[in-house]
Amino acid sequence: NAGVTQTPKFRVLKTGQSMTLLCAQDMNHEYMYWYRQDPGMGLRLIHYSVGEGTTAKGEVPDGYNVSRLKKQNFLLGLESAAPSQTSVYFCASSRTANGYTFGSGTRLTVV
Amino acid sequence: AQKITQTQPGMFVQEKEAVTLDCTYDTSDQSYGLFWYKQPSSGEMIFLIYQGSYDEQNATEGRYSLNFQKARKSANLVISASQLGDSAMYFCAMREGGDYKLSFGAGTTVTVRA
Repeated sequence: NAGVTQTPKFRVLKTGQSMTLLCAQDMNHEYMYWYRQDPGMGLRLIHYSVGEGTTAKGEVPDGYNVSRLKKQNFLLGLESAAPSQTSVYFCASSRTANGYTFGSGTRLTVV
Repeated sequence: AQKITQTQPGMFVQEKEAVTLDCTYDTSDQSYGLFWYKQPSSGEMIFLIYQGSYDEQNATEGRYSLNFQKARKSANLVISASQLGDSAMYFCAMREGGDYKLSFGAGTTVTVRA
């Protein structure tokens, strides 16, 4: 099925470890986003991309890096994980101003 | 400043009754879009309804309608004839101007009682 695929779905990291979350979309969308969801705070934008090779900071970018080397993929990296990065991470993509598709989320726990 | 405010952390509604979820927004742009998403316990984000700032009619999608009051900057979601499957977290979100980023509210948890 077409859509946004996030891998992995679950991950437990130790403090200080690094990891990369992969987001892949097959809808030829220009725009891609990474959000984190924490209880009582809704979804907050971490980084986003308006096209292949571009990235920009969102509301809560500290501690994360991103890359968009291919149009269909948007990678979110944690170089040195901290317990404060325990969250559910959502990737989304869009082509138009009112059509967003979300992935199913990645539940990350940092211990 | 918070761009999207949802003041109801949780609500209970009786099956078959209607429920209104509040959402107020803050923007200085004339062109913007307002969205409502549903997040069931399984965690996925499900798009429900969209309202553009220039749309003169309130948006409707099946049992969902958006009560758009531009002067008051409110975009309340009305769910008619609630069903047990409507129990979920509901998020209001906004896109401003030519910016494609979405800003989300904190969400409202709805529990439908039989």
